[in-house]
Amino acid sequence: EPEVTQTPSHQVTQMGQEVILRCVPISNHLYFYWYRQILGQKVEFLVSFYNNEISEKSEIFDDQFSVERPDGSNFTLKIRSTKLEDSAMYFCASSGTSLVNEQFFGPGTRLTVL
Amino acid sequence: ELKVEQNPLFLSMQEGKNYTIYCNYSTTSDRLYWYRQDPGKSLESLFVLLSNGAVKQEGRLMASLDTKARLSTLHITAAVHDLSATYFCAVDVYQGAQKLVFGQGTRLTINP
Repeated sequence: EPEVTQTPSHQVTQMGQEVILRCVPISNHLYFYWYRQILGQKVEFLVSFYNNEISEKSEIFDDQFSVERPDGSNFTLKIRSTKLEDSAMYFCASSGTSLVNEQFFGPGTRLTVL
Repeated sequence: ELKVEQNPLFLSMQEGKNYTIYCNYSTTSDRLYWYRQDPGKSLESLFVLLSNGAVKQEGRLMASLDTKARLSTLHITAAVHDLSATYFCAVDVYQGAQKLVFGQGTRLTINP
């Protein structure tokens, strides 16, 4: 069964460093998303992406964040200068073109900022 | 701004008992999703509810949607330990782009 994959599973970085989180969405999906979940809290929407541009972004998704689909298969989230409060689990999701448009989530990347 | 509230947030119950988790949301939507999350794991899709009155069942779990009341329920019948997890409802907000707004989650612990 097709699934969303994410790498790395765990990333540890120093405050102020740049990180890139990678996702490979399900191959025939057209909509891509990033969500984050701070430990023990709810899942929060960051950004949606369609047709090579951002469709919507939340207040969390400020100038430090960017997304890209560099090669037609990967979907990346970049955080330019990480802060302690960026420590969280980051989930990538993708959805297709059906009316249901159910989002399928990847396994997540745990980002720890020291 | 859409708010999604679940209750209870924590639920400890015995095997064999029945219980219901409630999900209220604050604005019109006719798409609601239930996800299960095990500790340290990703979100597993359980149910997709697309219209008023929708009811879906899978094993010991049954979900329903009342769009007029802006309420969804997840009912657990004769709970077993394997159902211990955190359950999230999420409401689909389509305003030119889809995004899911999640409830806080209900941490369910089922004791033998």
